[in-house]
Amino acid sequence: DTAVSQTPKYLVTQMGNDKSIKCEQNLGHDTMYWYKQDSKKFLKIMFSYNNKELIINETVPNRFSPKSPDKAHLNLHINSLELGDSAVYFCASSPVYSGPFGTQYFGPGTRLTVL
Amino acid sequence: KQEVTQIPAALSVPEGENLVLNCSFTDSAIYNLQWFRQDPGKGLTSLLLIQSSQREQTSGRLNASLDKSSGRSTLYIAASQPGDSATYLCAVRTIIQGAQKLVFGQGTRLTINP
Repeated sequence: DTAVSQTPKYLVTQMGNDKSIKCEQNLGHDTMYWYKQDSKKFLKIMFSYNNKELIINETVPNRFSPKSPDKAHLNLHINSLELGDSAVYFCASSPVYSGPFGTQYFGPGTRLTVL
Repeated sequence: KQEVTQIPAALSVPEGENLVLNCSFTDSAIYNLQWFRQDPGKGLTSLLLIQSSQREQTSGRLNASLDKSSGRSTLYIAASQPGDSATYLCAVRTIIQGAQKLVFGQGTRLTINP
């Protein structure tokens, strides 16, 4: 299937640990994103990468470090996890970067629980 | 404060019928509105995106309209099929407290009965 996929689907870990969430898209898109779903169910953009280069970093703590080994992958690494990091994280992609105007295709989400 | 509401929460119709799903939003300052479908256990599939300057978009049997001034959008599905059964979500893209956000409605769970 052509899609945006994320692994793992669920992640439960202790405070202070370091964890990664992987994202892959086989749609041939140039741009990938990470969103965090907050308690009000809004999806807030965290990062945007275009052709492996960072173009948006929305005031996210340094503990969050995205890595894009190629334009089909955008992984999210989180150091020293905190309770407030518990959320659902969504990966998305779009054919090109068009800011807030373009159609984005979303993965299924990763539910992170920090204990 | 942007709030997105979808009515009805659930809808069940016989195959072949035309149907309309409704979405309303409280703040008209949006970049665009997007309709998605979500199948159980899967991600969001984008169906249609309407820019704030547009009135409607069509794709196959789907037609989405946008009336930004009244804060409303509708998704029209013609000649419904069992494969259309899914949860349909509308979302507006906006800036909240200086950050770009996608605000989703709670969804309409659609069941098409053969």
